Amino acid sequence: SQELEQSPQSLIVQEGKNLTINCTSSKTLYGLYWYKQKYGEGLIFLMMLQKGGEEKSHEKITAKLDEKKQQSSLHITASQPSHAGIYLCGASQGAQKLVFGQGTRLTINP
Amino acid sequence: GAVVSQHPSRVICKSGTSVKIECRSLDFQATTMFWYRQFPKQSLMLMATSNEGSKATYEQGVEKDKFLINHASLTLSTLTVTSAHPEDSSFYICSASSGVTSTDTQYFGPGTRLTVL
Repeated sequence: SQELEQSPQSLIVQEGKNLTINCTSSKTLYGLYWYKQKYGEGLIFLMMLQKGGEEKSHEKITAKLDEKKQQSSLHITASQPSHAGIYLCGASQGAQKLVFGQGTRLTINP
Repeated sequence: GAVVSQHPSRVICKSGTSVKIECRSLDFQATTMFWYRQFPKQSLMLMATSNEGSKATYEQGVEKDKFLINHASLTLSTLTVTSAHPEDSSFYICSASSGVTSTDTQYFGPGTRLTVL
C-alpha cells in the first residue's frame, strides 16, 4: 500500500519567514492533495496536483509536484499567524480513496 | 461552495448507548461520502466509503455492525456508533465528493468529537 512521509513533523517559524513542508510517497502519485487542519476541526482543501512538474499557488502558498511524481512540497512565503495549523498531504488511492501523511504541525511565533 | 457540515460537533454518551452522526453536503450533491477517524496527534484513518443508495465499503479492521453507515440521499450520510465503549472515543470526520473519478476532490466536514463515558 502507498505510504506518505511528511517532513518535518513539526515546525516553528518566526512570523514573516518563509517555510517549506515536504511530502514523499512510496509510490507514484496520481493525485496529491494538500489540506490544512486546525486542532479539533475539519480539513480545509488547499490544492490538488496531478501532473509531474505541476505548480499551483494560492495567496502566499505554493505547492509543487516533482517530475517523477513521488514528492510534493508546500511553500509558504512571509508566514502569518493565520498559517498556523496542521498541514496534511493526501494521495489518491483509486476509487476516490485518500491516504494521508502524518501531518506537519506549524507554529508561527509573532 | 463545497461546504460540508456535521452534526453534532460534540457528543458525550454513556457506555452501551448508540450515537448517530450526520454529514451533509450543503451546496453540492455528494455521490460519495467518506468517514474517517482521527486519534489525538495522529493522521486520519479511513473507516468506510459510501455511495448514495449502496451499501458502504468498510476498510479492513472496521466492524460493520458497530459502525453503521447510511447514505440515503445525495446530500446526507449518517454514521451510527452502536453500543459505544470508551475505546470508541475519537474525532470522527466525514468528507464528500461530487465526482466519480479517482482524483475528484474530497471536501471535509468540521468533525464530531465523541466521548464515551
